[in-house]
Amino acid sequence: EAQVTQNPRYLITVTGKKLTVTCSQNMNHEYMSWYRQDPGLGLRQIYYSMNVEVTDKGDVPEGYKVSRKEKRNFPLILESPSPNQTSLYFCASRPGRAGANVLTFGAGSRLTVL
Amino acid sequence: AQKVTQAQTEISVVEKEDVTLDCVYETRDTTYYLFWYKQPPSGELVFLIRRNSFDEQNEISGRYSWNFQKSTSSFNFTITASQVVDSAVYFCALSEANSGGYQKVTFGTGTKLQVIP
Repeated sequence: EAQVTQNPRYLITVTGKKLTVTCSQNMNHEYMSWYRQDPGLGLRQIYYSMNVEVTDKGDVPEGYKVSRKEKRNFPLILESPSPNQTSLYFCASRPGRAGANVLTFGAGSRLTVL
Repeated sequence: AQKVTQAQTEISVVEKEDVTLDCVYETRDTTYYLFWYKQPPSGELVFLIRRNSFDEQNEISGRYSWNFQKSTSSFNFTITASQVVDSAVYFCALSEANSGGYQKVTFGTGTKLQVIP
C-alpha cells in the first residue's frame, strides 16, 4: 500500500530533551515536507525537501532541523523542544516539484512538550 | 505572496441540510492549482479534489460539488444533503505551478463542519 509513515504517533516529552520524528514514504516521491497544525492557524510548512540532500526552510523553521540522506526518509529533529512546539505534525510527500501534484500525508504525530 | 482565506471557522448544520464552505485565494500567478482536503475526527488528511486555473468548470462528485470562479478568486465547496460522516475539518489549499524551482502549497486555516443528527 502506498503510504507515508510517521513515528511516533503520540509523544509527551519535556523541555530540552532532543527528539526525532521519523517519516518514510514508499512511493519513490522526490518531494517531502513537514507541516505543523495548530488551532486557528491551519497547516504551516516547517521544512521541505525537493530531493536527496536538498532541503529548505518553510514558513516556521525555527527550532527544527531536517535531513534527507535517503529518498524515502525525511526525519524532523527537535534539538531542544520547547512548549510552543506542542502541536500536531504531518509529513507529506508528492511526486516531483510540479504544483499540480497531490500531497500524500502521513497519519500525524501529536507532540506535547511539558 | 499567495494566500488562502477560509473565513468560516466552524459551521454546524442539521443532517440532510446543504452546506457551502467558502475559500478565497490570492495569487499573482496565472497558472495555479487549488485543492480541498478533508480531515475527519480520526486526524488523517484526505485529498478531495484538485482544479487548475484554466478549468473553471464546476465539478460534482456524488453529494459534493465545487464552484471555481476566477472572477472572485473563490473555490467553494458544497455538500448536499449532509451526513454525520461529513463532520470534519476541511482545508482549502493553493499551489503555484511555475516551471522550475519550487511550487509551494499554502493552506487555509480550515473550516470545522459539524453535522448534527
